[in-house]
Amino acid sequence: DAGVIQSPRHEVTEMGQEVTLRCKPISGHNSLFWYRQTMMRGLELLIYFNNNVPIDDSGMPEDRFSAKMPNASFSTLKIQPSEPRDSAVYFCASSSPRGSGRARETQYFGPGTRLLVL
Amino acid sequence: QQQVKQSPQSLIVQKGGISIINCAYENTAFDYFPWYQQFPGKGPALLIAIRPDVSEKKEGRFTISFNKSAKQFSLHIMDSQPGDSATYFCAASISGNTPLVFGKGTRLSVIA
Repeated sequence: DAGVIQSPRHEVTEMGQEVTLRCKPISGHNSLFWYRQTMMRGLELLIYFNNNVPIDDSGMPEDRFSAKMPNASFSTLKIQPSEPRDSAVYFCASSSPRGSGRARETQYFGPGTRLLVL
Repeated sequence: QQQVKQSPQSLIVQKGGISIINCAYENTAFDYFPWYQQFPGKGPALLIAIRPDVSEKKEGRFTISFNKSAKQFSLHIMDSQPGDSATYFCAASISGNTPLVFGKGTRLSVIA
């Protein structure tokens, strides 16, 4: 399995521009998580989907952030308009309650998207 | 409100020594406690995890000790190696498939 795939890996944009981050979870996983990592705040949950349905979006900073999961193999996180304080590494992770041993319920993280808003 | 507190922020250990990282949590509903390892430029990867029905879990050189009454858990890395140099995060969640609440991380440096 290729693991969780995220694109782009790096994004540099100017304040006010729209940014779209993409995630492909591991095949068969039914839970998908978007986390943000900054030096000041560490790793924080933004939003969590289960079976493509948003369950908890309490971590989404404000209305400028939106996330969708149109099917089991794709999710997007959009920032519009972007601001310099959105600069961070954005991680997507997926997990499944099925399987055995270590694989069961483990959240597997993608490589992240490093976003810089100028 | 920081639900998972991690210490120390940074740690320097001699090769072959024992690295110890501590975490404390507040929410008694937490039922799953993983440790993640992150190398620069990479995503976090699960190292080892424990549930509160056991007080200790060992996998190779890595051991989690869990104290339910004190709401504390710790990671011990035996025979620390330079390749263990990374940032370590403790985390907690209500179950494995629910969002993780992370500690702030510990940057471990193992020197020869």
